Amino acid sequence: EAQVTQNPRYLITVTGKKLTVTCSQNMNHEYMSWYRQDPGLGLRQIYYSMNVEVTDKGDVPEGYKVSRKEKRNFPLILESPSPNQTSLYFCASSSGGDSPLHFGNGTRLTVT
Amino acid sequence: QKEVEQNSGPLSVPEGAIASLNCTYSDRGSQSFFWYRQYSGKSPELIMFIYSNGDKEDGRFTAQLNKASQYVSLLIRDSQPSDSATYLCAVGLTGRRALTFGSGTRLQVQP
Repeated sequence: EAQVTQNPRYLITVTGKKLTVTCSQNMNHEYMSWYRQDPGLGLRQIYYSMNVEVTDKGDVPEGYKVSRKEKRNFPLILESPSPNQTSLYFCASSSGGDSPLHFGNGTRLTVT
Repeated sequence: QKEVEQNSGPLSVPEGAIASLNCTYSDRGSQSFFWYRQYSGKSPELIMFIYSNGDKEDGRFTAQLNKASQYVSLLIRDSQPSDSATYLCAVGLTGRRALTFGSGTRLQVQP
């Protein structure tokens, strides 16, 4: 089954404790992206990757890191999480930047 | 002006009626248009995409695109309570780094 898999689904952590949210896709997509979704603000892009070893900032990259060492994986790293990063996060992939996006199931992160 | 605008709603329709959701976009060069459905706390799910002016039908859903007026709409026929969700409009442009999403319209279908 074609899918984008994110883990974990729920995560509660404390300020400053490094965490990684994993994302993997099995559709051989070149394009992958991370979004956060907050009430009233809609989906905002954090980082994206056009291909292996190629990443770039989205609209709200501050406080986040990503890497793309393999085509299928695109982890999101929060080196020092803060409460304003409490949000619902989605990983997505597609065959191109203007093609339909396939979303993972989401990760609800709470930083206390 | 937002790049992709949607009325936040809620749009309330009775069961069995036609629900009409609208979206306007600002970049006249936009070339791809998508409608996603999102249930509360869940991930967006692609419903329709359209690239050319006119109508595209898929089951109970019809997407309508008018590039001259820069709007795209989604019609849902025979609305069901299970259609109650937030509908996101997304617009793409070849060479851009990402789809641009509207903030979504919340649809409520009353039994």
